Amino acid sequence: AQSVTQLDSHVSVSEGTPVLLRCNYSSSYSPSLFWYVQHPNKGLQLLLKYTSAATLVKGINGFEAEFKKSETSFHLTKPSAHMSDAAEYFCVVRSSGTYKYIFGTGTRLKVLA
Amino acid sequence: DGGITQSPKYLFRKEGQNVTLSCEQNLNHDAMYWYRQDPGQGLRLIYYSQIVNDFQKGDIAEGYSVSREKKESFPLTVTSAQKNPTAFYLCASSMGLALSYEQYFGPGTRLTVT
Repeated sequence: AQSVTQLDSHVSVSEGTPVLLRCNYSSSYSPSLFWYVQHPNKGLQLLLKYTSAATLVKGINGFEAEFKKSETSFHLTKPSAHMSDAAEYFCVVRSSGTYKYIFGTGTRLKVLA
Repeated sequence: DGGITQSPKYLFRKEGQNVTLSCEQNLNHDAMYWYRQDPGQGLRLIYYSQIVNDFQKGDIAEGYSVSREKKESFPLTVTSAQKNPTAFYLCASSMGLALSYEQYFGPGTRLTVT
């Protein structure tokens, strides 16, 4: 069975400081993992994805994530937060042989001036 | 410009009425999905379709129905049987079954039923 746990429902950072959004997953087989961002009343936009190639994945807007199989984690990071990063972020897991994507409950990122 | 369109952006209905939400994609994707989003609950899968004329129930299908008569279109009907229909509804598509395929999302429809 697949599952995703986003460890923080809310994260606040100051502008210019690092961002860390945590995600742990459970999957019976080697999964694909995704991070999406959602601004208020908008659809979801893909930030980055891991699909069994390099374990450090770079995405858009300066975000990156590292796949750690031993820790079953896929945390999202950014060296320096910008005001425009304030949004909700979703970690998603998908296992082979299924059309279903399993979403975490989301982390709301607040960026303080 | 390829993408997914959902209409309308906001929809208001009276209790007891059925309502249909539109979803169209021009990405030539095989698979399409409907999700419901409520605050603090992430996205919950209502229905998905792998190919034309075929669809499967997701985790919360009760009170909803879909059709997939064309590859580009996957409308969702919220019936009067849905006990709490007020929510934000998101349509998505993906190329197919390969593990690396990500989903693409539409802008969403916010449905309010009073």
